[in-house]
Amino acid sequence: ETGVTQTPRHLVMGMTNKKSLKCEQHLGHNAMYWYKQSAKKPLELMFVYSLEERVENNSVPSRFSPECPNSSHLFLHLHTLQPEDSALYLCASSQLPSGGIGELFFGEGSRLTVL
Amino acid sequence: ILNVEQSPQSLHVQEGDSTNFTCSFPSSNFYALHWYRWETAKSPEALFVMTLNGDEKKKGRISATLNTKEGYSYLYIKGSQPEDSATYLCAFPSTFIFGSGTRLSVKP
Repeated sequence: ETGVTQTPRHLVMGMTNKKSLKCEQHLGHNAMYWYKQSAKKPLELMFVYSLEERVENNSVPSRFSPECPNSSHLFLHLHTLQPEDSALYLCASSQLPSGGIGELFFGEGSRLTVL
Repeated sequence: ILNVEQSPQSLHVQEGDSTNFTCSFPSSNFYALHWYRWETAKSPEALFVMTLNGDEKKKGRISATLNTKEGYSYLYIKGSQPEDSATYLCAFPSTFIFGSGTRLSVKP
């Protein structure tokens, strides 16, 4: 059983839909991350939350909106996405915030398809 | 922006072969490096955290070395097994940047 749980595992949505991805970590970590994995591209950092405050936003389009209500939960709200946003979205957590060396613990990802 | 290069992109070996691949990075301002293994349909899992020049870490048949002065880390797998088939990623925690990975396929 993974310490980081992502739901849903698969999501198909139209360009006008609004949906959310959810991530929950059971490891007592204080930093959480969203990464995007597109075909044939490296993992791309989208957002980092440390102690529930956003500390990094890697120029992600505003149609992606993160929310971190507490240190155990992270959401990615999706609105008016484009087909090129279809990808695997990975959530991760770690014990240390930005600049630390603690390894990331990943969820299994949410596979998003935008029609 | 830290430029992380991994080579080769993919590797096909026979069961029992030993193999190695490389993560290259600018040698200035090094802080730490992670190696991850990502099996298909699973989540990436950390293998090693490397911090000091000359570090050598081992986990079973897998080991890693670090040379911060010349800007590279090697990952070695001794006697590859089919269950070693995965994508191996290096990453820099200070910048959250991942390399593009080396996809290893081990044929029985």
